[in-house]
Amino acid sequence: DAKTTQPTSMDCAEGRAANLPCNHSTISGNEYVYWYRQIHSQGPQYIIHGLKNNETNEMASLIITEDRKSSTLILPHATLRDTAVYYCILRGGSSNTGKLIFGQGTTLQVKP
Amino acid sequence: EAQVTQNPRYLITVTGKKLTVTCSQNMNHEYMSWYRQDPGLGLRQIYYSMNVEVTDKGDVPEGYKVSRKEKRNFPLILESPSPNQTSLYFCASSFITFGNTEAFFGQGTRLTVV
Repeated sequence: DAKTTQPTSMDCAEGRAANLPCNHSTISGNEYVYWYRQIHSQGPQYIIHGLKNNETNEMASLIITEDRKSSTLILPHATLRDTAVYYCILRGGSSNTGKLIFGQGTTLQVKP
Repeated sequence: EAQVTQNPRYLITVTGKKLTVTCSQNMNHEYMSWYRQDPGLGLRQIYYSMNVEVTDKGDVPEGYKVSRKEKRNFPLILESPSPNQTSLYFCASSFITFGNTEAFFGQGTRLTVV
């Protein structure tokens, strides 16, 4: 079972920021929060990850709450090419088999 | 360029005819794994490997075999494919420090078993 909860779908206007929330209330101390996206049926693409501090890279920003029970992926200026399914995944931790548990993700539709 | 390469990208085969889907990575990753993706079921792990000659079952291993003779390659073998193995398959690799290391995915193999 996925350890994260995400909304099923979201819309965003092109050029606006897309804010995708994720709840992970049972996260353990050494688990990282990862975000991947899948465009159509291509291979999942890594976006960003973090442990407790906010992170930013050329694609997105990741905001993790202080209690680490939720996070938000921010795409600062969404384009039509950002239309995809976005997955919030926890990795690391004591189980340590490396498996990525993909839930149903959030389908982000960027509209003109 | 860092990448995970799967072949073939598309395959149609008949029930019972053995097939192999190859996966190769050029990043010296210890960890490799296979997933299948089906509508409504998401991505599920089939097998994984922590290093050469070390493999283990994931969540849906029935009907599949894998081998890890070399670090870069992790082929998925279907000895007797059946129609319920029609799916989209992805290979992934990463370093073994799972917490702080991203996994890279191949572009996928769409398999149809008739």
